[in-house]
Amino acid sequence: NAGVTQTPKFQVLKTGQSMTLQCAQDMNHEYMSWYRQDPGMGLRLIHYSVGAGITDQGEVPNGYNVSRSTTEDFPLRLLSAAPSQTSVYFCASSRDSTAYGYTFGSGTRLTVV
Amino acid sequence: KNEVEQSPQNLTAQEGEFITINCSYSVGISALHWLQQHPGGGIVSLFMLSSGKKKHGRLIATINIQEKHSSLHITASHPRDSAVYICAALFGNEKLTFGTGTRLTIIP
Repeated sequence: NAGVTQTPKFQVLKTGQSMTLQCAQDMNHEYMSWYRQDPGMGLRLIHYSVGAGITDQGEVPNGYNVSRSTTEDFPLRLLSAAPSQTSVYFCASSRDSTAYGYTFGSGTRLTVV
Repeated sequence: KNEVEQSPQNLTAQEGEFITINCSYSVGISALHWLQQHPGGGIVSLFMLSSGKKKHGRLIATINIQEKHSSLHITASHPRDSAVYICAALFGNEKLTFGTGTRLTIIP
């Protein structure tokens, strides 16, 4: 069982570049979500999805786009990277956000210079 | 505003001690999660509870809905329990709000 797979694990971007963080799960979970973790702050929700074709914004969505074309995949796109987006990003999934625990990916450490 | 507060921020204890980490939240929630983040950065879900108490091995999680408070207890603590413990509250059905975490260090 792979669980939740995030790629890449590390990435350095220049300001203004774009990139996509990949997230895939093989557990047939309907709920998927992206978070960022910054020093001294709790994880913060960026975007989430309750099923294929359905996405919604979280607490800090600006500068990020998502799509959910399949149940398995939930990529996070940085449109024009800024130093403020330097962070560790986690993807998570759940069978049902109200009744089950979450499975987290191993994280992506992103540095924007 | 949906808020989650944890205490203490840092906790150092001797091996074998009973550990308690506290979490309080501002308004009614659907569920409360306890997570463990290892020094390598990976996050593992420990418990999800909406009422009462859950136990898994040496870990116990409780929640008091009326007082808007949850606790995570570790019995017979061990150095391998050293990690950051995070509580997260589900406000509504879809959005988790996280505490800032408690860094636990168990000294042999």
